[in-house]
Amino acid sequence: DVKVTQSSRYLVKRTGEKVFLECVQDMDHENMFWYRQDPGLGLRLIYFSYDVKMKEKGDIPEGYSVSREKKERFSLILESASTNQTSMYLCASSPVSYNSPLHFGNGTRLTVT
Amino acid sequence: SQQGEEDPQALSIQEGENATMNCSYKTSINNLQWYRQNSGRGLVHLILIRSNEREKHSGRLRVTLDTSKKSSSLLITASRAADTASYFCAPFPSGTYKYIFGTGTRLKVLA
Repeated sequence: DVKVTQSSRYLVKRTGEKVFLECVQDMDHENMFWYRQDPGLGLRLIYFSYDVKMKEKGDIPEGYSVSREKKERFSLILESASTNQTSMYLCASSPVSYNSPLHFGNGTRLTVT
Repeated sequence: SQQGEEDPQALSIQEGENATMNCSYKTSINNLQWYRQNSGRGLVHLILIRSNEREKHSGRLRVTLDTSKKSSSLLITASRAADTASYFCAPFPSGTYKYIFGTGTRLKVLA
């Protein structure tokens, strides 16, 4: 079974801090994704990566950056956390085929105070 | 927005009844997928239907796809309390890896 592991379930950070959210998958998937989920807004794509060191902006990349130095790991970075980045963050991975499902981690609930 | 739009936003039914959720989208797609999310957890893939398919079954799940109307439906038959969750459709647009999710349907199955 595919396992996507997010390093923290809950995280509390202060405004202005640099925050790293880590995601690791164990199935050698090429594609990895970061979403944020907010009530009434559904899941919104922040960034995705289709290969090591490759990345593409999603719908809401502002205030975020990503890093993919190894195939299995995809990091989301909040350069200077703000209160409007308080949210549930979901990482997912998939193989390169267009007709493959996404495999999600259990999410990180980030609170920025 | 290119995202899928689920309808209804919330649904409450008795155990044993069928639950139907609908999804509309705006772009041409390679496939459409349905996911389930238990409270506070990640999403779990339920079923994928390709753009050239019209209907697909998996256990108690039945999915239909009408590409001419850009719509899909998910039917859960003989629902159980354990089916209580949020359900999301994800139309997969052609030519991109950008899976687009809607806001989901919150299903509550009463025992």
